[in-house]
Amino acid sequence: DAGVTQSPTHLIKTRGQQVTLRCSPISGHKSVSWYQQVLGQGPQFIFQYYEKEERGRGNFPDRFSARQFPNYSSELNVNALLLGDSALYLCASSSSRGQVNTEAFFGQGTRLTVV
Amino acid sequence: AQSVSQHNHHVILSEAASLELGCNYSYGGTVNLFWYVQYPGQHLQLLLKYFSGDPLVKGIKGFEAEFIKSKFSFNLRKPSVQWSDTAEYFCAVNGATGFQKLVFGTGTRLLVSP
Repeated sequence: DAGVTQSPTHLIKTRGQQVTLRCSPISGHKSVSWYQQVLGQGPQFIFQYYEKEERGRGNFPDRFSARQFPNYSSELNVNALLLGDSALYLCASSSSRGQVNTEAFFGQGTRLTVV
Repeated sequence: AQSVSQHNHHVILSEAASLELGCNYSYGGTVNLFWYVQYPGQHLQLLLKYFSGDPLVKGIKGFEAEFIKSKFSFNLRKPSVQWSDTAEYFCAVNGATGFQKLVFGTGTRLLVSP
């Protein structure tokens, strides 16, 4: 079975631009979460979606938004990019009904560089 | 505020040495605890998890961790490391209620020399 897949793997954008990152969860998983991992730090929670509804949001500005589609795939959008948005963006899926007692499976991530 | 502290940022060991990586957390309530590993060029993978029950949990590849509630700790151990254990290790905590939001530590880079 395919794991969590993310696209693109690498991306270079200019300050002020907008970016869309994509994630396909493991087949059968209905919960998708997004994390930002800055170099030298652990991943930081951005959003969790379950059944197309936002279930949780981390401490990120409104420039960050996401959505989940009927097939449970998800997009993360970041507007007005700043140099500080350069990071590895990770998507995780789980089989939970948005509950906590399950394992999150991570994708390879999208490496975003803002210049 | 919820936080996870990993005391060792870089660890260098020789093969067959024993490993213990420290993890302490700050969280107001019942928690679920995880150790994830990231091998070079690969995605984050779950090593082991604790939800409830026996505080000594065993994971993949001979790793184990002990949850000590009174110390807010969840240290990772392995009796004898191998070169293939070279990786970055992340401790993470999630509240046992509410939505799934993992709070990660800053990670420990382990280098095992042959």
